[in-house]
Amino acid sequence: QEQLVESGGGVVQPGRSLRLSCAASGFTLSSHAMHWVRQAPGKGLEWVALVSYDGRKNFYADSVKGRFTISRDTSKNTLFLQMNSLRAEDTAVYYCARGKYQLLLAAPLDVWGKGTSVTVSS
Amino acid sequence: SYVLTQPPSVSVAPGQTARIACRGDNIRRKTLHWYQHKPGQAPVLVVYDDKIRPSGVPERFSGSNSGSTATLTINGVEAGDEADYYCQVWDGNRDHPVLGGGTKLTVL
Repeated sequence: QEQLVESGGGVVQPGRSLRLSCAASGFTLSSHAMHWVRQAPGKGLEWVALVSYDGRKNFYADSVKGRFTISRDTSKNTLFLQMNSLRAEDTAVYYCARGKYQLLLAAPLDVWGKGTSVTVSS
Repeated sequence: SYVLTQPPSVSVAPGQTARIACRGDNIRRKTLHWYQHKPGQAPVLVVYDDKIRPSGVPERFSGSNSGSTATLTINGVEAGDEADYYCQVWDGNRDHPVLGGGTKLTVL
């Protein structure tokens, strides 16, 4: 069964850092593009970041560019999101998701985790 | 960057048909995907590549993309269909997905 499980969320002060993890099972991360998507309280889903299947290309939403870094550890089949210089507006539930088609960037997101909550507050 | 526009809310009675619109520039030239998102749960892909239903998604869900609007149609709406629905396309100019603002479906 293909599954994604996020962890690492919590409460953090503005300006601090946090690293989210997303453990994949039932499939190999290195065959798919992987994404982070977030939902702020009362808001809609917002795409955050993407890493290509081979890890060679990363793309970011303008709102997090320069502060967030997406990466993966293929030996652990785990995706990460390193979040630096956190702001109150980064408060959200963060979901990891898989691109459906192997090796392609442009694909629907067919497997999602249940999310991990991040609160940025002093 | 590419923008997708959805109505904030749609309300229908049980058993009726819900149609959720998604608009964008030349949207018929894009490939549309739709997600269902219930509070506290993971989003679920319900239609992809304009009109394909993943296995396990009821036949009541269908998608279309023509003219100036893409539409998610839910026939015979049930109470369990109450959720937020999001359309999504790929922005080829920026190499990333774009999500609509979401539509809250209320079953009366």
